[in-house]
Amino acid sequence: SQQGEEDPQALSIQEGENATMNCSYKTSINNLQWYRQNSGRGLVHLILIRSNEREKHSGRLRVTLDTSKKSSSLLITASRAADTASYFCATALNTGGFKTIFGAGTRLFVKA
Amino acid sequence: EPEVTQTPSHQVTQMGQEVILRCVPISNHLYFYWYRQILGQKVEFLVSFYNNEISEKSEIFDDQFSVERPDGSNFTLKIRSTKLEDSAMYFCASSVRSGLQDTQYFGPGTRLTVL
Repeated sequence: SQQGEEDPQALSIQEGENATMNCSYKTSINNLQWYRQNSGRGLVHLILIRSNEREKHSGRLRVTLDTSKKSSSLLITASRAADTASYFCATALNTGGFKTIFGAGTRLFVKA
Repeated sequence: EPEVTQTPSHQVTQMGQEVILRCVPISNHLYFYWYRQILGQKVEFLVSFYNNEISEKSEIFDDQFSVERPDGSNFTLKIRSTKLEDSAMYFCASSVRSGLQDTQYFGPGTRLTVL
């Protein structure tokens, strides 16, 4: 798999249900971030989780990080139609400088 | 709430022409970045910039690309001689500290169309 690879590629759920998206990566990271992108628009930052953290919450969002498995998950609880978007994980790599690698994203569709 | 802005929102150019994409990062941020996203594909890192110099660049960021912070507020990406495959959304981002430590805030993007 590539650095920052999400699954599923697409997810369709009913409003009110929970949505879980997963991200796997290959190399050591300093932090992992989740972003949302509405069609054709900019990226909105959701949560940053550092490599020494295991879980973070922000409103209806819960992110976990398992560095031993090199994976992260994003849970959106009680989804709303407005949550319809693409969700990307991004890993920050220390290269001497710094670069961020984005995954291909999960397209979430929440049906009203 | 402060935000990153980008101009223009859409740029159409002929192949071989030079384009300059402009960004105004959040005012107290010190680290600046450019990314691109070809339609339907993932967001790709191009370059990070700190203290008036490039700190990291990707394989995509070849000699056709350059970045500059010409004054205290703007951050620009120049593509010297555009190719058809440069057509993409270009996103600028900024952060207070390095992205290793801190959240990057993205602008709304410039859609570049090369004909």
